[in-house]
Amino acid sequence: SSELTQDPAVSVALGQTVRITCQGDSLRSYYASWYQQKPGQAPVLVIYGKNNRPSGIPDRFSGSSSGNTASLTITGAQAEDEADYYCNSRDSSGNHLVFGGGAKLTVL
Amino acid sequence: EVQLVESGGGLVQPGRSLRLSCAASGFTLDDYAMHWVRQAPGKGLEWVSGISWNSGSIGYADSVKGRFTISRDNAKNSLYLQMNSLRAEDTALYYCAKDGGYSAYGPFTDWGQGTLVTVSS
Repeated sequence: SSELTQDPAVSVALGQTVRITCQGDSLRSYYASWYQQKPGQAPVLVIYGKNNRPSGIPDRFSGSSSGNTASLTITGAQAEDEADYYCNSRDSSGNHLVFGGGAKLTVL
Repeated sequence: EVQLVESGGGLVQPGRSLRLSCAASGFTLDDYAMHWVRQAPGKGLEWVSGISWNSGSIGYADSVKGRFTISRDNAKNSLYLQMNSLRAEDTALYYCAKDGGYSAYGPFTDWGQGTLVTVSS
């Protein structure tokens, strides 16, 4: 079982705002990073650190953290944002990395 | 442009071994830590192993510790994963991923397209 917990399914109406969450004790000490994966493709990093976007990632993607919960927010979701989203951070020992179970985002 | 190309996957019997390779280009490999991440069919991502820029720090997931060995050859711009005592549950697409820094704590900034490992008799 993963030390990072995500809701497996999330939905959002086109153009609306959605928050995808990731819970785990290690998130009190370490930032999460977030990855988008579309069917048949490799994952893509969308958010890392406090709230950093790699080059080429739209600014509608943002990250935040509070206590043991990290969040990925998509403001004005687009059809192309429909994908699986995974959070990642260190585990509670701090020595290994772990992924959340993933959240499937459906854009209605 | 960063490119990561995995190779070495295939069909292997339980208990046998396989060695994966990842050819890196478009960046200076010895400036970055590297990782292997796998994804079983229809399942989520699982971090397998990571190695710091100079191989001084190495980590493994509990599920592969003692069976898998990660290594790198910066002169050859290559990352490797030696997989021994393979089990059916090791069946997955194995991704090579570049770290954002020299230690092996992520994030994974770039990914290859993966190489498929199938463990079956």
